Formats: sequence, C-alpha cells, structure tokens
Amino acid sequence: EPEVTQTPSHQVTQMGQEVILRCVPISNHLYFYWYRQILGQKVEFLVSFYNNEISEKSEIFDDQFSVERPDGSNFTLKIRSTKLEDSAMYFCASSLIQENRYTFGSGTRLTVV
Amino acid sequence: SQQGEEDPQALSIQEGENATMNCSYKTSINNLQWYRQNSGRGLVHLILIRSNEREKHSGRLRVTLDTSKKSSSLLITASRAADTASYFCATGDLYSGNTPLVFGKGTRLSVIA
Repeated sequence: EPEVTQTPSHQVTQMGQEVILRCVPISNHLYFYWYRQILGQKVEFLVSFYNNEISEKSEIFDDQFSVERPDGSNFTLKIRSTKLEDSAMYFCASSLIQENRYTFGSGTRLTVV
Repeated sequence: SQQGEEDPQALSIQEGENATMNCSYKTSINNLQWYRQNSGRGLVHLILIRSNEREKHSGRLRVTLDTSKKSSSLLITASRAADTASYFCATGDLYSGNTPLVFGKGTRLSVIA
C-alpha cells in the first residue's frame, strides 16, 4: 500500500534555529496537510495545501511557519525560529480528495533545546 | 467547530472483551472517520462512514452513526492485546469542502492479555 514518507524521524535543534521537515506524499494525492501532536495531547491541525497554495491554516500556523512544494514530490514545513514550545511530533498527511481518507506519515519528532 | 470529542478518555479491558468508544460532534457533516494511533506513531485510517449511512463494518470493527444525535460509536469485537492504541474520530464538514479533518483528544484503549 502506498505510504507517506517523512524525514527525519527525529530532529534536535537549538532554540532560535530554523528547521525544515520533509514529506513525500502519495504520488496521486492532491491535498496535503501538516498536523502536530505535543506529547500525550491531541492531534492539532496546522495547514492544508492544494493546487500549490495554502487552502486553510490554523491559529498555530503563524508567521514563523511556512510550507512549500518545491518539486512534484516533496512537501516541506519550515519553522523559521524555533521555540521550546514547538517541541512535538509533526505529521504530514495526504488525501486524494478533501472528503476522503487521509494517509499519515510516521512523523518527525522535533525537540527544541 | 466540528471537532469530534471521544468518550471515554481511557478504557482498559481484558483480551477477548468488546471495546466501545463514542464520539460526539457539533456541526453537520458529510462523513465521519475513525483513526488509530500506536504510541509515538502516525494515525492509521480505520473506517469512514458517510452521513447517509447508519452502520458500517470492517473485520472486527463496527461503526455506527446517528446524525440526529451528532454521535458515532466504534466497537471493536473480541479485542486483542495488539488493539492497544489511541483511537480518534474526525469529521468532514458538510458545508465547507475545504475544511480539513479535525481530531479530538482520542480514547486510549488498553487491552490486557
């Protein structure tokens, strides 16, 4: 079964540094998403992306966050100046259509120190 | 918000017993989905039920949907230790095709061998 691939699986970064989380969605999917989950808490929506632009974003997705689909396969989440509270699991997901099932990657565990 | 809220927050049962988890939501939906998350891993899609469906089965899973009560239930029959995970419901908004899935806090299921 096709998978969503995320790299790296674990990233440790100094506070204030920029990080880029990478995702390869399923090739024929059209919608892409980033979610995050702080340890033991709920899965929170960050941003959705369709047709090479952001279609919706949450309050969490402020100016320090950005997303990009630099080529036909990768989908990236950039955090410009990381804060301690950005420490979380970040999940990428994709879907064929908006109303369909999502396929999630295994996540990147980001630790900001 | 159409965010689903699962109940109970935690459930502990013996192997072989049935596990029932409930989900309530607030707005009109076009579908409701259940996902599973093993500790520290990504969410895995289990089942999708559309608003015009009342019940759906997949293997040992049975999902019901009551749109008049804005609630759904997930039944896992003959549970196994491997079913130990967190289970989340998520809804797709009826009137806003661009609204991504919003997840609740989940039910943590522990199946004791």
